[in-house]
Amino acid sequence: DTGVSQNPRHKITKRGQNVTFRCDPISEHNRLYWYRQTLGQGPEFLTYFQNEAQLEKSRLLSDRFSAERPKGSFSTLEIQRTEQGDSAMYLCASSLLAHNEQFFGPGTRLTVL
Amino acid sequence: AQKVTQAQTEISVVEKEDVTLDCVYETRDTTYYLFWYKQPPSGELVFLIRRNSFDEQNEISGRYSWNFQKSTSSFNFTITASQVVDSAVYFCALSENSGNTPLVFGKGTRLSVIA
Repeated sequence: DTGVSQNPRHKITKRGQNVTFRCDPISEHNRLYWYRQTLGQGPEFLTYFQNEAQLEKSRLLSDRFSAERPKGSFSTLEIQRTEQGDSAMYLCASSLLAHNEQFFGPGTRLTVL
Repeated sequence: AQKVTQAQTEISVVEKEDVTLDCVYETRDTTYYLFWYKQPPSGELVFLIRRNSFDEQNEISGRYSWNFQKSTSSFNFTITASQVVDSAVYFCALSENSGNTPLVFGKGTRLSVIA
């Protein structure tokens, strides 16, 4: 039984470029969450899906951010026109609908130069 | 609004000492869940425990124990006979309503266990 996987693990980009991250949740987990973590802080919620439906978006998620989960399996998080303030660890988690534990992936560390 | 406070930013102990990590939460809901996660140097968050608001029974799992007190809105975590492998950042988190909603995390407590 594999855990949550995320790709890439690291991404370095120049300001203004677009980046896309992928998350593969634990098989059969209905809920998929995206969080962002900056140095010295706890993870902050960005958005989440139940199957393919995006149920909630945080105010942290500006118009430059978009997330999809087209078939209710893997999810992508895209950041357009990246800014230096976007530099962070982007974490994905999944859970079964009927359970509360969220299991986290290893994260994608984004550095915007 | 929900909030989690971990007042201890960093704690350093000598191996085999006991250590308690504090967590205080705020919520207006009567139904909620509390969690602890461990983030070792590798970076991946590891789930440790979930507790619902209706179950105030303390829990022990090996060297780990948790003390949930609704009267003081606290959910403290104790490691007994600490080991170097316990060195990590520990996060307390809160989820309201059904519990299957986004987690609100505290800022974490960095624990260093020195051999």
